[in-house]
Amino acid sequence: ETGVTQTPRHLVMGMTNKKSLKCEQHLGHNAMYWYKQSAKKPLELMFVYSLEERVENNSVPSRFSPECPNSSHLFLHLHTLQPEDSALYLCASSRRVGWTEAFFGQGTRLTVV
Amino acid sequence: ELKVEQNPLFLSMQEGKNYTIYCNYSTTSDRLYWYRQDPGKSLESLFVLLSNGAVKQEGRLMASLDTKARLSTLHITAAVHDLSATYFCAVDIGGATNKLIFGTGTLLAVQP
Repeated sequence: ETGVTQTPRHLVMGMTNKKSLKCEQHLGHNAMYWYKQSAKKPLELMFVYSLEERVENNSVPSRFSPECPNSSHLFLHLHTLQPEDSALYLCASSRRVGWTEAFFGQGTRLTVV
Repeated sequence: ELKVEQNPLFLSMQEGKNYTIYCNYSTTSDRLYWYRQDPGKSLESLFVLLSNGAVKQEGRLMASLDTKARLSTLHITAAVHDLSATYFCAVDIGGATNKLIFGTGTLLAVQP
């Protein structure tokens, strides 16, 4: 248990569906992140939030839409995804942006059919 | 282009043997992390290496950092089956947004 909880753990969705991934951290951290982990590729940083404000968007397609309503919760809204978006999506948090000791959630395994 | 390369990508080793995983990176950094990931589980932080020459040890694992050579190593001593997992190095490239660049990972399988 790392203090970062992601739901759901597994998700299968069609290309026309809309779904959301949820991340919650109980560590009192101010920074939260979304990473994508595809097979045989390094983890890719997608978004960075600092105190609910997005501070980085790494050229992620608009079909991925993050939301951070408060410093403990982070969402990733998904719509009209492609099969190549199938991956493990990992949420992480750290004390603050620039403090790179990050704690990761267990991830959501997403399959787009 | 920034690269973080791990070698080997897959390692099958017998219990009791020693081996080293290498992490080479292509940019200046003085901070490097090692993580472990078990199948279906989260990434677990193993080591934080904060300066040139840093060496840290925990149990059968020892990590070191040579910032001049842009190289980190994770040495496994007398491997046991419980060490089977995927190991990632991640390089902090600095800047305001906390950017970690991950290696591709090394899948370690320790055989009895």
